[in-house]
Amino acid sequence: DGGITQSPKYLFRKEGQNVTLSCEQNLNHDAMYWYRQDPGQGLRLIYYSQIVNDFQKGDIAEGYSVSREKKESFPLTVTSAQKNPTAFYLCASKESGYGRDTQYFGPGTRLTVL
Amino acid sequence: AQSVTQPDIHITVSEGASLELRCNYSYGATPYLFWYVQSPGQGLQLLLKYFSGDTLVQGIKGFEAEFKRSQSSFNLRKPSVHWSDAAEYFCAVGVNYGGSQGNLIFGKGTKLSVKP
Repeated sequence: DGGITQSPKYLFRKEGQNVTLSCEQNLNHDAMYWYRQDPGQGLRLIYYSQIVNDFQKGDIAEGYSVSREKKESFPLTVTSAQKNPTAFYLCASKESGYGRDTQYFGPGTRLTVL
Repeated sequence: AQSVTQPDIHITVSEGASLELRCNYSYGATPYLFWYVQSPGQGLQLLLKYFSGDTLVQGIKGFEAEFKRSQSSFNLRKPSVHWSDAAEYFCAVGVNYGGSQGNLIFGKGTKLSVKP
């Protein structure tokens, strides 16, 4: 069954802690993305990776970090430097190549800071 | 700057009525355009997309959208709404050049409520 999985579905963090959100895909897609969603704000791009071992900052990268050591995995770490991390986080992936610019999304992780 | 505007934050329609959700974009080149739907607490599901060719695009669940270059619009339509269509709908434009190739710029979404 091909798709994108995110874990955990719900995550609770104490202030000052780093937490890591998992994103895995078995679609053999080259590109992967992390978005943050807040009510009424749409989706905002945190980081993206077009290829293994390479990634780029999006619009709101401060307080977040990523790695892309394997094609199928793109974990996101929310660090203690992120001042307001409570949000819904969505991971997506995409094929590369002309006419293949469609992103497919995982089910999301809801992060709550206690 | 590239942007997507969804003018309606919340729309309520009666079940069986027709639906049109508006989307306007600002983009210098020929855009790639998408509509996604999101149920509460879920990820985004692709409804339809426009890359080129026929400006009327058919999607899943009976939805269609029409690309109008002169109006910079890509409005989503459905002739008869079902209660299960209640969700949030996002329009997006895809960047199709340079280092940001494939990135999406999203509107802020329109929440659809359906009255019985």
